[in-house]
Formats: sequence, C-alpha cells, structure tokens
Amino acid sequence: NAGVTQTPKFRILKIGQSMTLQCTQDMNHNYMYWYRQDPGMGLKLIYYSVGAGITDKGEVPNGYNVSRSTTEDFPLRLELAAPSQTSVYFCASTPSGGANVLTFGAGSRLTVL
Amino acid sequence: GENVEQHPSTLSVQEGDSAVIKCTYSDSASNYFPWYKQELGKRPQLIIDIRSNVGEKKDQRIAVTLNKTAKHFSLHITETQPEDSAVYFCAASLGSSASKIIFGSGTRLSIRP
Repeated sequence: NAGVTQTPKFRILKIGQSMTLQCTQDMNHNYMYWYRQDPGMGLKLIYYSVGAGITDKGEVPNGYNVSRSTTEDFPLRLELAAPSQTSVYFCASTPSGGANVLTFGAGSRLTVL
Repeated sequence: GENVEQHPSTLSVQEGDSAVIKCTYSDSASNYFPWYKQELGKRPQLIIDIRSNVGEKKDQRIAVTLNKTAKHFSLHITETQPEDSAVYFCAASLGSSASKIIFGSGTRLSIRP
C-alpha cells in the first residue's frame, strides 16, 4: 500500500493564480482531511469528508474548495491564490467511525508570491 | 467555540528528566485524544492516543492522562532521550461522531545533553 499520496510536493504560485492539490489514498478509508501548517505553527483543519459526496468545513475554509467524488481522492482547490495561503498542506485519512489514527501524506509545500 | 489549547509552546529539559505537555479542549462531546510527534520537515506521526472511557494509558516511556470532568489531558515522557526532541501536537475529536479532528498549537521539546 502506498498510503496517502500528495502531489505536487512543491509549487510556487503567483498571486491570483489557481491550482489543485491532489490527495489519493489506497487504504479504503472513508474519512479524509486537509490541514495547513504555517511555518512554526500548528495544524489547522481546512476541510474534511466522511465519505464520497460529503464534505464539511473545518477551522479555516475560506479561499479553498474541495470535492469527494470517489473514496480514494480528495482534491483541494485554491482559487485566486494569496500570500496568506503560503503554507505546507497535509492530507490525511482514517478508517470509518473517526476516533482512529490519522495517516498523513508527506505534505505539499506551497509558496504564493 | 471549538478549540484545543496546548501549553507550553516550548519546553527544554535535561536528558533523563521528564517532560509534561498539557492540553485543554472545549467540546464536552469529544471522545478521542491523540498525540502526534513531528520531526523537522516530516509529517506528523501518532505516538499515543486515549479514548474517553479510559483515564490513563502507557506505552513504555510515554503516558497520557485524561480528565474528562476538567476537559484536559496531558502527555508525559519519562527518561527523555535526544531523539525525543521534536514538536508534539495534541488533538481532539469533535462531536459524538468524532469525525472532525482539530489540533493544538504544538510544543517544541528540546532535550539538553
């Protein structure tokens, strides 16, 4: 099993550009999450999903959109990138029922200039 | 609102001494409390977790205690070693479904030789 795979690993965007961070898991986990981690800071929940077709806002959803058309994929879209979105983005997944270990991807480092 | 507060933000202890990190949470329905360790440039990894029906859990040099009445939980590391140097995050599940998981702001632990 590859676990949770995130692409790209690194990306530089210009202000106002848009992009999608990809996240795929092969563990048949129903629950998936997107967190952002600013330098020297903690993890903030952006969006999460408890299954295909279901998404919910986390602590910091503004400026982002998600979709969950399959169990495996949970892409995060940034529209009109801003310098405040410079961060490391982590995707994570866990089996059904929550209250289980989060398996994290390796992270995607995004810089907006 | 929903939040998890973590203290201290930095902690320096002599090798061989104990380290204690404390967290409080606001949602009385929270029932799952994991602790993650993050080394520089790496993804967070679970080190121990506890559920609300248990007051204490140990795994070798690491222990977690939970006080549901006071809504706080703590991480205890005994006989600290250089490899314990890292950032530690507490987290809590929110709501009875435990689907939403939010993190504390992190504690940077340094072990002095």
